[in-house]
Amino acid sequence: DGGITQSPKYLFRKEGQNVTLSCEQNLNHDAMYWYRQDPGQGLRLIYYSQIVNDFQKGDIAEGYSVSREKKESFPLTVTSAQKNPTAFYLCASSMRKGGTEPQHFGDGTRLSIL
Amino acid sequence: QKEVEQDPGPLSVPEGAIVSLNCTYSNSAFQYFMWYRQYSRKGPELLMYTYSSGNKEDGRFTAQVDKSSKYISLFIRDSQPSDSATYLCAAQLNTGNQFYFGTGTSLTVIP
Repeated sequence: DGGITQSPKYLFRKEGQNVTLSCEQNLNHDAMYWYRQDPGQGLRLIYYSQIVNDFQKGDIAEGYSVSREKKESFPLTVTSAQKNPTAFYLCASSMRKGGTEPQHFGDGTRLSIL
Repeated sequence: QKEVEQDPGPLSVPEGAIVSLNCTYSNSAFQYFMWYRQYSRKGPELLMYTYSSGNKEDGRFTAQVDKSSKYISLFIRDSQPSDSATYLCAAQLNTGNQFYFGTGTSLTVIP
């Protein structure tokens, strides 16, 4: 079954700690995205990548980092510089760089502060 | 002004009602429009994907785009309790991979 797998489902971060959220897709999609979802604010774009070894900052990239070493994988690291990391994080992908196919989403990771 | 505006609701309807969900957008260059359904603690699921103006129907769901008024709608016929979710509208330019989302409308269908 093709899809986007995010892990873990729930994650807890201690003060000063970096944590990494995993996103894997087997849809053979070129483009991948990370969003943050907070109540009443909708989806805010953190980072996106249109091709392996390349990525761009979104609207709220500060305190986050990403890598894209493989087409299938786009992990997001929430660093200690992100002072308000509690949120629902969504990974998405779409088929083609510069294309117009819609995004498909994983089931999210909920990050909380201990 | 946000690129895509959506009334957050909440919206509550009896089972069997026709539901109308609406969004407006500001960028006349948007060409592609999407509706997603999101259940609690889950990721958004693509419901409808339309290009430019017009209607698209899929079962009980109809998506409508009016580019002249920059208005997009989702109609749900014979609503069911299982339709209770948050509905997100989204828009995309003709090129590129950036998507613009509304904040979502929370819908409850009461049995």
